[in-house]
Amino acid sequence: AQKITQTQPGMFVQEKEAVTLDCTYDTSDPSYGLFWYKQPSSGEMIFLIYQGSYDQQNATEGRYSLNFQKARKSANLVISASQLGDSAMYFCAMREGLEDKFYFGSGTKLNVKP
Amino acid sequence: GAVVSQHPSWVICKSGTSVKIECRSLDFQATTMFWYRQFPKQSLMLMATSNEGSKATYEQGVEKDKFLINHASLTLSTLTVTSAHPEDSSFYICSASRARSVTGELFFGEGSRLTVL
Repeated sequence: AQKITQTQPGMFVQEKEAVTLDCTYDTSDPSYGLFWYKQPSSGEMIFLIYQGSYDQQNATEGRYSLNFQKARKSANLVISASQLGDSAMYFCAMREGLEDKFYFGSGTKLNVKP
Repeated sequence: GAVVSQHPSWVICKSGTSVKIECRSLDFQATTMFWYRQFPKQSLMLMATSNEGSKATYEQGVEKDKFLINHASLTLSTLTVTSAHPEDSSFYICSASRARSVTGELFFGEGSRLTVL
């Protein structure tokens, strides 16, 4: 089974509006971390936000917030007040327990329209 | 913040030649680094885990004789694509995590785009 599933290959959002990128995960390990990365056309991977499995509150980092629903095993990324510079690929990733290995989703291509 | 640097960013080579890509952690020691391959519009595929001072651990289906990984120091890992062929053309990206990082996030290099003619 896929460890990380991103069901939206592409998304459009109007500038200044909010957008939610979906991510579901599959693990039996009670301890895990969930991450979101942004990959602009230049190719670099930019870390955006982290959510630990034991964290009680949803993570927030500036305009990014993570809607963590543990029972549903979902970790959706919410970008508020979208900007043109937010246009990029977004990857959800998971790290299980003490493992070093990260599992990446297939990514969502976000296009912000002016 | 932690920085991982990768070189070269772009490389074009002839079929049959070997290409070396370097990955350096600039402000922290990385006992473990990871090498990924990414095809256009696809996700990152983990190729191998590079461990300082020991042999790399390759993922299933990745030819270890084709993709040689050396992690000779705590700040440098290299990936050598040996006898490159056009099907090896891809985007290769390295990453490392910093010990004692609260979140344990991966820091990525800028990536290296390899084109084999």
